[in-house]
Amino acid sequence: KAGVTQTPRYLIKTRGQQVTLSCSPISGHRSVSWYQQTPGQGLQFLFEYFSETQRNKGNFPGRFSGRQFSNSRSEMNVSTLELGDSALYLCASSRRGHYEQYFGPGTRLTVT
Amino acid sequence: SQQGEEDPQALSIQEGENATMNCSYKTSINNLQWYRQNSGRGLVHLILIRSNEREKHSGRLRVTLDTSKKSSSLLITASRAADTASYFCATDATDSGNTPLVFGKGTRLSVIA
Repeated sequence: KAGVTQTPRYLIKTRGQQVTLSCSPISGHRSVSWYQQTPGQGLQFLFEYFSETQRNKGNFPGRFSGRQFSNSRSEMNVSTLELGDSALYLCASSRRGHYEQYFGPGTRLTVT
Repeated sequence: SQQGEEDPQALSIQEGENATMNCSYKTSINNLQWYRQNSGRGLVHLILIRSNEREKHSGRLRVTLDTSKKSSSLLITASRAADTASYFCATDATDSGNTPLVFGKGTRLSVIA
């Protein structure tokens, strides 16, 4: 089975712009979670989607949003980018009822 | 906020030695997982231990869980240079599957050949 894929892998944006990141889960996995990883804060949970519904949301401002499509692919969007949004954004998928998560390689976002 | 806190933050050992990393957490959990992350890449699931288990093995990995102390340890035996990575514990504190994991800040392991 193909693993979790994330596009793009690297992105450079300017403050004030917006960005959309994409995640394709492992085939058959209907749950997708997003995490932000920074050296200072570590890995922080952003949100989780299952069957196109947001099930959980982390403590991030409303500039961070996401969605899931009927084929389980997910996107996250960050509007009005700030320097502090520079991070590695990780997507993970899992099977219903299973705790183990399978991570993609991440998207490295740099905001200048 | 981090649920799990790993200790030590960094560990450097010689190839062939054992590496032990510890994780402490704050609230009751259903499961505790360990993940590995190679530099700047995605995380790889290593092992899951349920709250009613005390010890679990997988290859060169041994995980223990002490729910009374709210702590876990990960032992990697006969370490190899390829084990160089960051190791994270992750917990979920709710009673249903597919809940958000809360990660610690990780232990950075360096195995010197």
